[in-house]
Amino acid sequence: GESVGLHLPTLSVQEGDNSIINCAYSNSASDYFIWYKQESGKGPQFIIDIRSNMDKRQGQRVTVLLNKTVKHLSLQIAATQPGDSAVYFCAEIPILTGGGNKLTFGTGTQLKVEL
Amino acid sequence: EPEVTQTPSHQVTQMGQEVILRCVPISNHLYFYWYRQILGQKVEFLVSFYNNEISEKSEIFDDQFSVERPDGSNFTLKIRSTKLEDSAMYFCASTKQGGVNNEQFFGPGTRLTVL
Repeated sequence: GESVGLHLPTLSVQEGDNSIINCAYSNSASDYFIWYKQESGKGPQFIIDIRSNMDKRQGQRVTVLLNKTVKHLSLQIAATQPGDSAVYFCAEIPILTGGGNKLTFGTGTQLKVEL
Repeated sequence: EPEVTQTPSHQVTQMGQEVILRCVPISNHLYFYWYRQILGQKVEFLVSFYNNEISEKSEIFDDQFSVERPDGSNFTLKIRSTKLEDSAMYFCASTKQGGVNNEQFFGPGTRLTVL
């Protein structure tokens, strides 16, 4: 069935290092991918998105890479800071959404930044 | 900055009771969503709503669930007869326009505990 999942449940990095969070998806009809950050006690917060016709997109300190061949999505965070500690979810919207544009979320990766 | 708000932040109820979770989407947004997140699990889509009707709903959104936009600002989720397994964080989200690449803004969530 359709699923979006994450390789690593927990990632610990040193402050200042780069972080890479991975996500695998199985729905080849997916058209749009988003990374969300969820801090404790808060709702998901949009970080960056990418359309299926792109393989890379950069934001402020973040880069999303999309490899459609192997159905893999990654989020790279440069110079990771303590404020980056959170759970990170990938999410996707397939082309045929039924009009609702529902997000299908992955399991989540806990990023821990060590000082 | 405009944000989605939700009340209450925590709702405790007895099994079999009705609960209403309330959301105030961002004022100029037209598309509304409910998601839920069982503790330690991924965020799951429940329902999307546009133009005063449901656009799409998941298998979770059975006859015990209903949504309503009773006025120009509120968007509610009602669970008629709560079950233990309804215990979760419930997130409301909204987006300004349709189309896959319009960011969904999430509220802080309501934690529902069914005893």
